[in-house]
Order: sequence, then C-alpha cells, then structure tokens
Amino acid sequence: KQEVTQIPAALSVPEGENLVLNCSFTDSAIYNLQWFRQDPGKGLTSLLLIQSSQREQTSGRLNASLDKSSGRSTLYIAASQPGDSATYLCAVPDAGGTSYGKLTFGQGTILTVHP
Amino acid sequence: NAGVTQTPKFRVLKTGQSMTLLCAQDMNHEYMYWYRQDPGMGLRLIHYSVGEGTTAKGEVPDGYNVSRLKKQNFLLGLESAAPSQTSVYFCASSSDRSNYGYTFGSGTRLTVV
Repeated sequence: KQEVTQIPAALSVPEGENLVLNCSFTDSAIYNLQWFRQDPGKGLTSLLLIQSSQREQTSGRLNASLDKSSGRSTLYIAASQPGDSATYLCAVPDAGGTSYGKLTFGQGTILTVHP
Repeated sequence: NAGVTQTPKFRVLKTGQSMTLLCAQDMNHEYMYWYRQDPGMGLRLIHYSVGEGTTAKGEVPDGYNVSRLKKQNFLLGLESAAPSQTSVYFCASSSDRSNYGYTFGSGTRLTVV
C-alpha cells in the first residue's frame, strides 16, 4: 500500500523567506505526483503536476521536483508572502494501470507566513 | 465556470438518520471521487466512479453507498449515520487517469451527534 509522508507538519516563516516542503512516498512506481493547496474551510486547488518522466515543474514562485528512484518530491516556494499561508498537500496516484486516478495524500504541511 | 459543486455545505445529523450528499461537475469529466478528510488521518478515498453507471470502492467504503446515474452527478449516501462519520467530505473529478485537471469541490462539513 502506498504511503505518503510530508515533512515538516507545520512551518512558520517571516515574509520574504525561501522555503522547502518535503514529500516522500513508499512505492516509486508512480506515473505522476501532484501538489495541492488548501485554504482553511475550502477545497483543494492543484498547484503543480509532475509527470514521472519530468524532474521538475515550475509555476511562478513555485517549483516542484521529483526523484522517483528515491521516492521524494520537494516544493520550493520563493520569496514567501502572507498570501501563501495555507496547507500544502502532495498526492500520488495508485500504482498500476488500473489506478483510475485515485490519489493517496500526505497529511500536509501547514504553512504560516507572517508579515 | 462552476467546476465541482457540492451540496449541502454543512449538515448536522442525529445517529441513525440518513442523508445524501450531491456532487455536480460541469467539465464533462469521466472520473469522479468522494474523499473524507479527518484530523490526523488526511484525505481518504471512499468511493469512485470511472464513468456514468459505474461505481467502485475506495479505501474506506463501509457505511456509504454511491450512485452515478448521470455523468455530471455523483451522489454519496449515508443510510444510517454514525458519529464516526463526522468529517469533511470532498468530491473531486478528473478527465482521465492522468490526473490533469483534478478539481475538488469546496466540501461538506457533516456532524453526526
């Protein structure tokens, strides 16, 4: 069974800092990995999706990397802002051809960026 | 563009009562999912559907039933609610197994007393 772990569980930083969120998974036979953002009381919003053939994916100040062989992904946030405060979750699909897009999620990193 | 819409947003049930949560998507997605989110447990898949008329069990299906009579709608039913089913329920949809366009609804907060 796939297990996804995110470290740290919570992170508090001053505005302007660059930061790294970590995600590890136990079964490396994945075909992609996705990072989501969740604001309090809201649903999840997809931030970045990295295919297994890619090493990294970038969107604005966000950069996600994937190392399948070691079972790790990192989400790098540059020049953090108070508006980045949210819970960040990584998710991987079940391995195999019949995954049907079912995702296994980590428990998330709660990020607080203070002015 | 509405995306994925869940109703209701909040509900309080008494133990033993039944209810249906409705999920509607307007993106013509084939795949739809129901997850529950609990503190310390993360998001867990309850049931999913790979197309109109199909349903399948996820990780935590006990106590729930689902139906997908129309492509755009995915219903989650609780026949006899239990306090252990107190949770936040999220519906999601995806165009295919590639996970591109994975879209979540805003959630239903359910309390069973």
